[in-house]
Amino acid sequence: NAGVTQTPKFRILKIGQSMTLQCTQDMNHNYMYWYRQDPGMGLKLIYYSVGAGITDKGEVPNGYNVSRSTTEDFPLRLELAAPSQTSVYFCASSYKTGVGANVLTFGAGSRLTVL
Amino acid sequence: AQKITQTQPGMFVQEKEAVTLDCTYDTSDPSYGLFWYKQPSSGEMIFLIYQGSYDQQNATEGRYSLNFQKARKSANLVISASQLGDSAMYFCAMRVTGTASKLTFGTGTRLQVTL
Repeated sequence: NAGVTQTPKFRILKIGQSMTLQCTQDMNHNYMYWYRQDPGMGLKLIYYSVGAGITDKGEVPNGYNVSRSTTEDFPLRLELAAPSQTSVYFCASSYKTGVGANVLTFGAGSRLTVL
Repeated sequence: AQKITQTQPGMFVQEKEAVTLDCTYDTSDPSYGLFWYKQPSSGEMIFLIYQGSYDQQNATEGRYSLNFQKARKSANLVISASQLGDSAMYFCAMRVTGTASKLTFGTGTRLQVTL
């Protein structure tokens, strides 16, 4: 019962490099999200997906791309890394139940530093 | 657009005392949900409690209760009998019904429990 698994946990990138943060969930959740958390701040939504093949932008999508080819996986791609993308990235998922809590389950986070 | 405001950057409480963490929200939608998450120093996001906008009673989960005042648009978290393990960042978040369960987070309150 792994829940939401993110890899890597830590990464240092040079300016201009690209990388993919991996996220997979084993709860058969149809909703998945990527958030970023800057130091001392709350979480901001980057992208989200309501099902395989469907993605949409959140509050801060610039510099990122996502894809959702399966229910389980929701990778986040950083193109041309910039120091402003230094942050902790959280992947989350939830099950669509209509009304009610629809509690998000979060991964452990990926700490990215761009130098 | 939705907005969450947490005006207390940091709070101190003595062990075994109760503490209230403030949260105000802004939305024009009548159907929404309010959440509190705990983030210990290890970094993971832990769901604590949920309140739906149509719920008649304040939510309670063990030592956590949510003081929901709809007219004032406030959703304060009350922690009773504080423990050293309660020392963490606490985030208030809101979801508007029908928006794919996307959460909008506040900036958080750092709670420190002292002996």
